Amino acid sequence: KNEVEQSPQNLTAQEGEFITINCSYSVGISALHWLQQHPGGGIVSLFMLSSGKKKHGRLIATINIQEKHSSLHITASHPRDSAVYICAVRSYGGATNKLIFGTGTLLAVQP
Amino acid sequence: SAVISQKPSRDICQRGTSLTIQCQVDSQVTMMFWYRQQPGQSLTLIATANQGSEATYESGFVIDKFPISRPNLTFSTLTVSNMSPEDSSIYLCSVPGTGGETQYFGPGTRLLVL
Repeated sequence: KNEVEQSPQNLTAQEGEFITINCSYSVGISALHWLQQHPGGGIVSLFMLSSGKKKHGRLIATINIQEKHSSLHITASHPRDSAVYICAVRSYGGATNKLIFGTGTLLAVQP
Repeated sequence: SAVISQKPSRDICQRGTSLTIQCQVDSQVTMMFWYRQQPGQSLTLIATANQGSEATYESGFVIDKFPISRPNLTFSTLTVSNMSPEDSSIYLCSVPGTGGETQYFGPGTRLLVL
C-alpha cells in the first residue's frame, strides 16, 4: 500500500463545477503539499499545509491531521485547470526536505 | 521564490548512449533534488545533491547509472548512463524554498529512449 493515496485517479468535470480531490496518508507528517503538473511536465507548488485551511483564488486546501487526510477544492472550474494534481507529504522525522508523492489525479475540465 | 531551468527540455536517444541533463537555479541553494517520473507514475526521488559532497542516492538508484555533479550552489547535472527504453521518463530537478515552506521544480526533461 502506498504511503500517500489519492482519489479519484481520473476526474472529468464540466466548466463551472466544484471539484474535490482527496489525499490520505499513512505516515506522520510535518507538512503536506499540493502540486499541479501541466501536460508539458512542469510542476507548480499550489499549497503547503501543516494544519487547517488555505485559500488562493479559486483553490482551497484543507488538512485534518488527526484523520491523516487532505482535500483540494477547485471552485468554478475552468478548462485551464486541466492538469494532474499531486499530493506530497514530508514525513515527520524523515530526511530533511524529502517528499513522498501520491500518484496524482488527472483532471479534465470540459467547456 | 526560485526559478529553475533545465536543459534539454526533451530528447530522443538511442539505447546504450548517455544523456546529461543540466539544472540551473537563479539563487544559491544548499540542496538540489533529482526526480524521475516514469510514464503514468508519480515522482520518485533519485538522489539529493549537496554542493561539495557526494550525492546521496535513494534505494534502487546507483551512482554508476545516474552520476551527478554539483560544482556550485546554483547548478547541477544528472547523467543517465547506458540508457535503455526503461529509462524513458521525465527527469525533474527541484530545490526547497526558504525554511522548507515550499518546493520548486524545474520544467522537466522529457526523455525517450528507443
